[in-house]
Amino acid sequence: QSVLTQPPSVSGAPGQRVTISCTGSGSNIGAGYDVHWYQQLPGTAPKLLISGNTNRPSGVPDRFSGSKSGTSASLAITGLQAEDEAEYYCQSYDSNLSGSRVFGGGTKLTVL
Amino acid sequence: QVQLQESGPGLVKPSGTLSLTCAVSGDSISSRNWWIWVRQPPGKGLEWIGEIFHSGTTNYSPSLFGRLTISVDKSKNQFSLTLNSVTAADTAVYYCARGLGLGSTTCLNFWGQGTLVTVSS
Repeated sequence: QSVLTQPPSVSGAPGQRVTISCTGSGSNIGAGYDVHWYQQLPGTAPKLLISGNTNRPSGVPDRFSGSKSGTSASLAITGLQAEDEAEYYCQSYDSNLSGSRVFGGGTKLTVL
Repeated sequence: QVQLQESGPGLVKPSGTLSLTCAVSGDSISSRNWWIWVRQPPGKGLEWIGEIFHSGTTNYSPSLFGRLTISVDKSKNQFSLTLNSVTAADTAVYYCARGLGLGSTTCLNFWGQGTLVTVSS
């Protein structure tokens, strides 16, 4: 059971918009700690997609965006493309766990 | 461009010790970044294991505390992980990564390719 809760799967057709939620609690996201998002393509290492809730590292398309409110955060992907099919993870910091960094359980995005 | 490369045995016997090294290039291990280990059991999600700062300050996952040691070798620009008393539950792909930013804001902005470690007799 992950400290951060994500839906196991989401899907969308090419060109559509999808969102992936990441729900935490008052000891992590709700405490104001940053949320970061990672994309893991099949058989590869994770890649940083969004840092500090809303920031896109250089090279990440602007189709990807992040937001945060209260105890939750969201990743939105617009103009869905086949190459977006991957596993997506949120990550934050939890003050209840001796200063641990925590990941969500991951969400599998399927492009129909 | 920062690059990280994990190395170590791919097979460890139950109750034995898992030891991995992460060689860093394109950045100094003495830079103001956290050097982090993450693992991923087959077919499962990511788990933060622990991290080290160049000063030697470490943070470990509470679930692994007591079995885990992370160290840094500045002369070789690398950091290492040692996990004792392993069981099948420790079978995973182990990733090393660079943590950008300090304290609670750290994100993992560069990752190694990962190395599969299997615990089996």
